[in-house]
Amino acid sequence: GNSVTQMEGPVTLSEEAFLTINCTYTATGYPSLFWYVQYPGEGLQLLLKATKADDKGSNKGFEATYRKETTSFHLEKGSVQVSDSAVYFCALSDWKGANSKLTFGKGITLSVRP
Amino acid sequence: DAGITQSPRHKVTETGTPVTLRCHQTENHRYMYWYRQDPGHGLRLIHYSYGVKDTDKGEVSDGYSVSRSKTEDFLLTLESATSSQTSVYFCAISAGLAGGLNEQFFGPGTRLTVL
Repeated sequence: GNSVTQMEGPVTLSEEAFLTINCTYTATGYPSLFWYVQYPGEGLQLLLKATKADDKGSNKGFEATYRKETTSFHLEKGSVQVSDSAVYFCALSDWKGANSKLTFGKGITLSVRP
Repeated sequence: DAGITQSPRHKVTETGTPVTLRCHQTENHRYMYWYRQDPGHGLRLIHYSYGVKDTDKGEVSDGYSVSRSKTEDFLLTLESATSSQTSVYFCAISAGLAGGLNEQFFGPGTRLTVL
């Protein structure tokens, strides 16, 4: 079956530090890949997405590249801000006819200190 | 923002009582989902629906049932709540576009505590 593995957390960084959050996946076929973010007390929001190999998703200074050869979709940001403190989830979409589901990683908590 | 509401937003109940959570959407999306979120487990799919009266089980469906009599409403029922069902429950919707781009939009969540 499909699975998503995220690096263990939590992660604490100082403001303006470089961020990398690792995500690898196992899937058959050609899944779409997503990063979702959950701010404290809120639901999940789509941060960025990629639908095919070598696609780069980007939003709010975050980037992730769909690497089929390494089955990875690592999230990066060059300079984090305190407002980026949240939980980040990697996910993949497996489309099989009438059944459309996302498989999520366990999430990682990012804390950014001033 | 996608039009998704969940009710109630918070609920405290006792073991053995029935509980129904409601998800309502105004987007006319075909797919609706119920997840639970627990520390160390991320989000786990409970049930989902791919149309009115069409539902299927997710990975943690035991103890839960769902119904979808209208496109806009998806109900999650705990027939007899247990303490292990204390969690935060999220509803999500998706247009389910072909080609695998299953972008889901999430509701604000319901925090359920079973004493």
